[in-house]
Amino acid sequence: QKEVEQDPGPLSVPEGAIVSLNCTYSNSAFQYFMWYRQYSRKGPELLMYTYSSGNKEDGRFTAQVDKSSKYISLFIRDSQPSDSATYLCAMTSANQAGTALIFGKGTTLSVSS
Amino acid sequence: NAGVTQTPKFQVLKTGQSMTLQCAQDMNHNSMYWYRQDPGMGLRLIYYSASEGTTDKGEVPNGYNVSRLNKREFSLRLESAAPSQTSVYFCASHRRGETQYFGPGTRLLVL
Repeated sequence: QKEVEQDPGPLSVPEGAIVSLNCTYSNSAFQYFMWYRQYSRKGPELLMYTYSSGNKEDGRFTAQVDKSSKYISLFIRDSQPSDSATYLCAMTSANQAGTALIFGKGTTLSVSS
Repeated sequence: NAGVTQTPKFQVLKTGQSMTLQCAQDMNHNSMYWYRQDPGMGLRLIYYSASEGTTDKGEVPNGYNVSRLNKREFSLRLESAAPSQTSVYFCASHRRGETQYFGPGTRLLVL
């Protein structure tokens, strides 16, 4: 079993839709959770960074962490064509020097106008 | 403030050739990382440097060497390139308490 599982998609939605992206993980030591957005031929760009269980909101984006179920989600409200990208979940056990991030394989999202 | 920069953006090598990928950050971060990204495999850690003067292997270090030249710069060297090293390489930097920030990547094709 991979440490982090993420449905690769692709996921296609119309403009304005609510999008739900998900990752599951097996390592209960993971404490820090991130969502990165990656446009084609670009580097990953940090979207959301959370530590505790619960919800964190930033504009149209909401990150949700459920440590008891080992499940994290990213919700995008009122999706826009500019949201079309690959979304990578990442997590780590400790936010200290030399601790690698463990990534999901990414979900490719396409938002049509 | 350029963040994390990488050179070159794109490179074609023949099998057996060598090259060095360069990375620099201007965020005064202590830790720097090299990842490779392959289709269906996600991002995997090659090497990292927790602080200036130290380097350690990650998940996939074979065929690579690194140098932490100073606090700003962390280079990745392929001594004898192989087709299996065709990939997109990303450098990242990190300060304790924050997450990792990534460069724009170097696309490498080994023929």
